[in-house]
Parts: sequence; C-alpha cells; structure tokens
Amino acid sequence: IAGITQAPTSQILAAGRRMTLRCTQDMRHNAMYWYRQDLGLGLRLIHYSNTAGTTGKGEVPDGYSVSRANTDDFPLTLASAVPSQTSVYFCASSDRDRGHNQPQHFGDGTRLSIL
Amino acid sequence: AQSVTQLGSHVSVSEGALVLLRCNYSSSVPPYLFWYVQYPNQGLQLLLKYTTGATLVKGINGFEAEFKKSETSFHLTKPSAHMSDAAEYFCAVSQRSGGYQKVTFGTGTKLQVIP
Repeated sequence: IAGITQAPTSQILAAGRRMTLRCTQDMRHNAMYWYRQDLGLGLRLIHYSNTAGTTGKGEVPDGYSVSRANTDDFPLTLASAVPSQTSVYFCASSDRDRGHNQPQHFGDGTRLSIL
Repeated sequence: AQSVTQLGSHVSVSEGALVLLRCNYSSSVPPYLFWYVQYPNQGLQLLLKYTTGATLVKGINGFEAEFKKSETSFHLTKPSAHMSDAAEYFCAVSQRSGGYQKVTFGTGTKLQVIP
C-alpha cells in the first residue's frame, strides 16, 4: 500500500543523546514535511522540503535538522535531545507540482520521550 | 497571516445524533480548507477539502462541510453519528508562503460518541 513509513514507532531517549527519525514515502511526492504534535497545540511545522536537495525551516526548527538526499527519504535529526522535545512526530508529503491546494499525506508517527 | 480556531476541544454526541464540529479561519488570500481525522496511534487522514467551486463539500464516511466566506467558517457535519466516528478532528487552512505550502492546523476536537 502506497504511503509514508516512519521509524521507529516509539522511542525512549536519554537527554543529550543524538536521534534520527526516519521517514520514507513511495508516492513520488516532491514536498515533504516534519511536524510535532503536542497536546493543546495541534501540529507545528519543524522543517520542510519542496524537492530533493532543498530544505527550509518551519515554525519550530530549533534543535532539529533535516536532509533530503533523494525524493523518497526525509530524516529528522535531534543532535542533542532535550526533554522539551518529548512529542509525537509526524512526517507528511504532498504533490506540490499540482499546487498548494493538495492535501498532505501523513505517516503514523513516532512517539518520542526524552528523559 | 492565517489561523484556524476550532470551537470546543471535546464534543460528545449520542449514536445516531447530528455531528457538528466548528471551524473558523482567517486568511489574507482565498483559502484552501481541509478537515482531517486522526484515530488513536495513527496519522492524520484527509476527510474532505475545499479549494474552489461548490461551497458544500462532501467527504468520506458521510461527512460534509460548507465553506461560508461571509462567516469565515468551514464547519464539519454528519447527519447521524456512528461509534466508529470517535476520533480527533483537525481543521486546516493552506496557502503558499515563502515558496512552500504553509498549512496551519487547528488544535483539534475530540469527538466522543455515546452508545
């Protein structure tokens, strides 16, 4: 089934450790996004990528980095995790070539706890 | 700037009753509007979208929403609630911003369906 695969599903991490959340899509969408979801705050954009080789900062980028080496993969890295990064992280993609009225497709999320 | 307000973080309805989830938006340009549903431990799934044209939009699972420009609203309705409708619902507005698709999500409404 076409879609977005995120790994790991959940993780408990010690503060100060480095962590990479993986995201792979098989829909050949050019645009990809990383959001964090926190209770009462909805979804907030961390970083985005309009196409392979380009990335941009979203609403809450501090403490996170991304790369887009190819169309399918869009990993999110926490260089040195802090407890405030405890959240549920969602990767999404959209077919940007068809315009800004296209819906985003979401993975099932990574539940990350920083202790 | 764009924003989304969902009135009511929790809504309870009896099985078979009308479902009404409220969403108001603000946008400096004609908006693209979406409703997404999120089931526990899953990502967001598209219910329906409004881009242009007919203001009454029909989606999956019997849901529909009406775009009312004069009221800046995009409320979600379903004539008869089913137990399987229990989930969290997110309204979102999308527009082009700085070269990417900026999607602003509401904070979500949890729908409880009472047998």
